[in-house]
Amino acid sequence: DSGVTQTPKHLITATGQRVTLRCSPRSGDLSVYWYQQSLDQGLQFLIQYYNGEERAKGNILERFSAQQFPDLHSELNLSSLELGDSALYFCASSSTGLGYSYEQYFGPGTRLTVT
Amino acid sequence: AQKITQTQPGMFVQEKEAVTLDCTYDTSDPSYGLFWYKQPSSGEMIFLIYQGSYDQQNATEGRYSLNFQKARKSANLVISASQLGDSAMYFCAGGQGAQKLVFGQGTRLTINP
Repeated sequence: DSGVTQTPKHLITATGQRVTLRCSPRSGDLSVYWYQQSLDQGLQFLIQYYNGEERAKGNILERFSAQQFPDLHSELNLSSLELGDSALYFCASSSTGLGYSYEQYFGPGTRLTVT
Repeated sequence: AQKITQTQPGMFVQEKEAVTLDCTYDTSDPSYGLFWYKQPSSGEMIFLIYQGSYDQQNATEGRYSLNFQKARKSANLVISASQLGDSAMYFCAGGQGAQKLVFGQGTRLTINP
């Protein structure tokens, strides 16, 4: 158990809908990262937050948005869903957003299926 | 741009043998970290081992060790005395500072009894 929690574990929804994925980082971790894993694109970085502020953006679509709340949990919002958004979405956390490389611990993931 | 390359899509190894999973990285950043993750069929990503580019010695964690060769820009994972439970996808990843991780395409390892 990495200490990172994600809900829900599975999500099935229809095209055009909007969903929210939730992540709670390990106790004490200030950085939260979101990744998408799909068969064709592999594991791709979406966005990073550090202590409530957006730190970096990757290949995140405009239909997707995220935020980190004062209690450090984070939510990833996906709207106008398309079939191609079906993927495993991971949240990861690490203890610092500054300085040297540091381990990122991953949550169990949310498997999104868009039908 | 940073790039991680894993050239072995799949590997088959007999139980109790050692196995080396290859990983090369391409970055001009001298301060770079390499990570290995294991993804079993259940889907979670399990952190295995980390090597910083400035670390003097190769990282080890139990049966896992990292064969880090900076001049060749390689960071191969060595699993000693493989077990059936080691069957999984293995991902090499790289990152600078506490920034995003860039992942390779993964190697599917199968341990045969």
